[in-house]
Amino acid sequence: EAGVVQSPRYKIIEKKQPVAFWCNPISGHNTLYWYLQNLGQGPELLIRYENEEAVDDSQLPKDRFSAERLKGVDSTLKIQPAELGDSAVYLCASSPRGVQSDNEQFFGPGTRLTVL
Amino acid sequence: SQQGEEDPQALSIQEGENATMNCSYKTSINNLQWYRQNSGRGLVHLILIRSNEREKHSGRLRVTLDTSKKSSSLLITASRAADTASYFCATDGGGATNKLIFGTGTLLAVQP
Repeated sequence: EAGVVQSPRYKIIEKKQPVAFWCNPISGHNTLYWYLQNLGQGPELLIRYENEEAVDDSQLPKDRFSAERLKGVDSTLKIQPAELGDSAVYLCASSPRGVQSDNEQFFGPGTRLTVL
Repeated sequence: SQQGEEDPQALSIQEGENATMNCSYKTSINNLQWYRQNSGRGLVHLILIRSNEREKHSGRLRVTLDTSKKSSSLLITASRAADTASYFCATDGGGATNKLIFGTGTLLAVQP
């Protein structure tokens, strides 16, 4: 079974430029998550999708961040414009079931963003 | 903001020794999970313990949970160099969703 796929793995951009990250979850997983992980910290949830619906985006900075999961499968996270403080690793994860609290989450390798 | 705090922040041991990491959290929970993250890689789920459980084992891993103290510990026995990684606890915040709130992590280095 293929794992969660993310691309690109690394991205270096200058501040004020746009950037987009792509995630393809494990086949059949309804729930998709985007996390931000700063150096030396644990991941922090940005947005959670149940199928194509964003059910928790309270931590997403909506002035510059956007996300979509149009067909309930793969997802894109965008930052426009990027700021220096956005340098971090962006992790995507998926889990198989819907609203249940005992789901193991499966993580992709992440995209390491560096904003210069 | 992070919910959990892990202790110690970093731990260095020799191969074959046991490693113990502790996690404290702030809210009620339905379950607590432990994840491992190797350098430059994504997180991998290790074990889940439910709020009505006190101890759980999986191979060389032993997890305990004390809901009265809002704390958990992860013990890795007979450590190997390949266990070198960051270890994170994650809780669901007591909600009815599959949201995870991660701690700050413990960096474990196992010296061969």
